[in-house]
Amino acid sequence: GAVVSQHPSWVICKSGTSVKIECRSLDFQATTMFWYRQFPKQSLMLMATSNEGSKATYEQGVEKDKFLINHASLTLSTLTVTSAHPEDSSFYICSARDAVEAGGGETQYFGPGTRLLVL
Amino acid sequence: AQSVAQPEDQVNVAEGNPLTVKCTYSVSGNPYLFWYVQYPNRGLQFLLKYITGDNLVKGSYGFEAEFNKSQTSFHLKKPSALVSDSALYFCAVRFDSNYQLIWGAGTKLIIKP
Repeated sequence: GAVVSQHPSWVICKSGTSVKIECRSLDFQATTMFWYRQFPKQSLMLMATSNEGSKATYEQGVEKDKFLINHASLTLSTLTVTSAHPEDSSFYICSARDAVEAGGGETQYFGPGTRLLVL
Repeated sequence: AQSVAQPEDQVNVAEGNPLTVKCTYSVSGNPYLFWYVQYPNRGLQFLLKYITGDNLVKGSYGFEAEFNKSQTSFHLKKPSALVSDSALYFCAVRFDSNYQLIWGAGTKLIIKP
């Protein structure tokens, strides 16, 4: 149980284009999803917290107009990198928590990540 | 300030020997502590967590961790290391009521045959 998928796993795009990354909870309902960015050999950097049916909460320094997050259903959240530039190249990881999980839904379950390369 | 520290960037262990990956934390209130493992070019896999109850927590793949309140530590342990345990390990503590986590910097575990 508690499987989270991400699509695509790899994406290469031209500078100036937009890229959408999907995060799905496959066997549970995720009231909260998180989007992280990870640079090589570094820890995870939280970009935003997304609650189903409401606007995402962005961390300081993360441009909400550049990284659009939509959490329209209990099993799907999307991150759209708009007008991507080479500096947006990174490994993007989503996670989700199951609010009805025993113990209060404390555990975040992670997707496999999406590697974005902007040329 | 709330924080998580993993004091070792890298830990080297011979296969079959016991391993320990260290984690200390500073957080107000009762901590909720987690260990995750990340294999190359992959997302994170949940290993184990401490919320309440027994201080010794057993998790996936034979790993366990001991919550030590007095030392504010949550070290990850395994009695006998496998080469396949080689990966990047992250310790995390729940930050606030929005379930955000504070992450350690990660420790690279290398198990040598």
